[in-house]
Amino acid sequence: GGIITQTPKFLIGQEGQKLTLKCQQNFNHDTMYWYRQDSGKGLRLIYYSITENDLQKGDLSEGYDASREKKSSFSLTVTSAQKNEMAVFLCASSYSNERLFFGHGTKLSVL
Amino acid sequence: GDSVTQTEGLVTVTEGLPVKLNCTYQTTYLTIAFFWYVQYLNEAPQVLLKSSTDNKRTEHQGFHATLHKSSSSFHLQKSSAQLSDSALYYCALSDHNNRIFFGDGTQLVVKP
Repeated sequence: GGIITQTPKFLIGQEGQKLTLKCQQNFNHDTMYWYRQDSGKGLRLIYYSITENDLQKGDLSEGYDASREKKSSFSLTVTSAQKNEMAVFLCASSYSNERLFFGHGTKLSVL
Repeated sequence: GDSVTQTEGLVTVTEGLPVKLNCTYQTTYLTIAFFWYVQYLNEAPQVLLKSSTDNKRTEHQGFHATLHKSSSSFHLQKSSAQLSDSALYYCALSDHNNRIFFGDGTQLVVKP
């Protein structure tokens, strides 16, 4: 079996700060995803990547950048953290159109 | 674009009784597969069911769902709810571009 590791588990930032979240997978999956989870709003797709160096925007990409420099890793950057923002960011990976395997998430709080 | 609708934010059911979680969808592109994911408290979401075939019942862990393309639905059902089924349930679909769309989720609470 494989695993998806997200770092850090908790991230506290200041308003306006640029913050980077990291994700590693050892499934050898081609496709990786970043979702934002807010209570009552489901999982909203921020970015996904079909292969190394590929980036595709999701519905919530504004305010975020992403990078897929290696097949096994996918990072997400919050370009300017919003005051009082609080959310969980979930990374996932899969083979094409197969089930997603999720990491345990990074919980973001902005002071 | 594609979208998934889960009409109930919260479903409460008594242990041993049947439960049904609703899921309908809209697609403008070719949809490849439909899923139900479950997220237990403080855990990552994990897949519960997957289906790509119209009118075929799919079962796992006592839950079942049947994709009905005629009504754009993929409802999740269980004949006898257990306390351990209490969790957040997401309906999702994947399109031919590898995009995966989730509904807003339904919190299932099973009471003794």
